[in-house]
Amino acid sequence: SQKIEQNSEALNIQEGKTATLTCNYTNYSPAYLQWYRQDPGRGPVFLLLIRENEKEKRKERLKVTFDTTLKQSLFHITASQPADSATYLCALDHSGGYQKVTFGTGTKLQVIP
Amino acid sequence: NAGVTQTPKFRILKIGQSMTLQCTQDMNHNYMYWYRQDPGMGLKLIYYSVGAGITDKGEVPNGYNVSRSTTEDFPLRLELAAPSQTSVYFCASSSRPGFATNEKLFFGSGTQLSVL
Repeated sequence: SQKIEQNSEALNIQEGKTATLTCNYTNYSPAYLQWYRQDPGRGPVFLLLIRENEKEKRKERLKVTFDTTLKQSLFHITASQPADSATYLCALDHSGGYQKVTFGTGTKLQVIP
Repeated sequence: NAGVTQTPKFRILKIGQSMTLQCTQDMNHNYMYWYRQDPGMGLKLIYYSVGAGITDKGEVPNGYNVSRSTTEDFPLRLELAAPSQTSVYFCASSSRPGFATNEKLFFGSGTQLSVL
C-alpha cells in the first residue's frame, strides 16, 4: 500500500545548527512534493514545492532535495532559530489535483536557544 | 487580507447532535477542500469542490455533507455526530487543482471539535 513516513519523534536541535527532516515514501511515483509548516493551533502554511526533475530547491535558509531513486525528500533549515520551531509536513501529488494529494504525519522541530 | 476563515474555533458536541463548520475565502479560488487531522495521522481529505455547485467525496466522507452555493463559501455539515468525528478540521483553498501548476494550498486556522 502507499505510505508516507516522516519521523514521528520530535527533532531537537541547537540554535544555529542545520536541521534536517526526512520524508520517505513507498509505492508512490510522485511528480511533485511540497513542504508545509504548521504551528500549534494553526493551519499548515506552504513553504516549498519541488518537482521530480529537480534535485534541489532553495528559498532563503530552506533547502529541499528530492531523490526519486531513494524515494525520499530531505528538508533542511540552515542557521536554525527558535522561531523555526514548528511541525513540518510533506505532501505528495502522485496523480494530479489536490484530491489526490497525500500528507505525511509531520515532524515536530524544536530549536533550542 | 483574510484568506481562508473558519468558524467556530472550538466546539463540543454531544453524540447525535448536528452542526455546520463554516469556511469562507476571499481569494476568489475555485477549488476548496475540507480535511481532518487526527493525532499521529496525516491530513485526510473529506470533501472537495472544484467550483460553485460542484462537490465530490474525498478519502473519508462518511458522516459528513457539503454544499457550495457560492465561490466564497464551503460549509461542512456533520449529521448525527459520533466520537469518531472528534478531530481538528481544516478548510483549504487553491486557485488551481494541483502541484503541477506550482500552486499551493491556503489553509484556515482550523476547528477543534470534540464529540462526547
